[in-house]
Amino acid sequence: GAGVSQSPSNKVTEKGKDVELRCDPISGHTALYWYRQSLGQGLEFLIYFQGNSAPDKSGLPSDRFSAERTGGSVSTLTIQRTQQEDSAVYLCASQATGGTDTQYFGPGTRLTVL
Amino acid sequence: GQNIDQPTEMTATEGAIVQINCTYQTSGFNGLFWYQQHAGEAPTFLSYNVLDGLEEKGRFSSFLSRSKGYSYLLLKELQMKDSASYLCAVRDIGYSTLTFGKGTMLLVSP
Repeated sequence: GAGVSQSPSNKVTEKGKDVELRCDPISGHTALYWYRQSLGQGLEFLIYFQGNSAPDKSGLPSDRFSAERTGGSVSTLTIQRTQQEDSAVYLCASQATGGTDTQYFGPGTRLTVL
Repeated sequence: GQNIDQPTEMTATEGAIVQINCTYQTSGFNGLFWYQQHAGEAPTFLSYNVLDGLEEKGRFSSFLSRSKGYSYLLLKELQMKDSASYLCAVRDIGYSTLTFGKGTMLLVSP
């Protein structure tokens, strides 16, 4: 079946602009995660959605970052007033439930802020 | 919180066996995952350990010792395609999020 998809695959933007990154999880998966991966660094947790519960936003690095998940499916990560340090690969993962199931990752969006 | 350590880089020869170690210090523990990530691609799931011992899956095996905060990923009969980054990740009790190590870049040479 279809895996996790993300768009765009690459995004180049100018400092100060807003960007939106999209994630389509595996159909039926109730949990969705956003991570950030910078060069030479591990995956950094950003935000977690589980069903209709309030999202866990504890990983968001600043108030310029926000995310929403509409209809329990597609999610959008928004970065306002982008900075050069926001340049990274943004990965989305979905999981069947919020328990011990495996997370399945999308291909990521490579964001470059000039 | 979680602190996860793994070697930055390792090299090995095609056909050989390599062991990638991961140590963690956590306030709670609810499972350890290994993922493989090829350059420019998404991480893919390799293994999951929540109880002590060895889990074998084909050429890959993963071991866990909860008392020592230690895991390893064992790759046998190495192939060139095994050249990738291997990520160790720990799940804390009560949380569904994972904390990842920085990954071990494995280079397999002929």
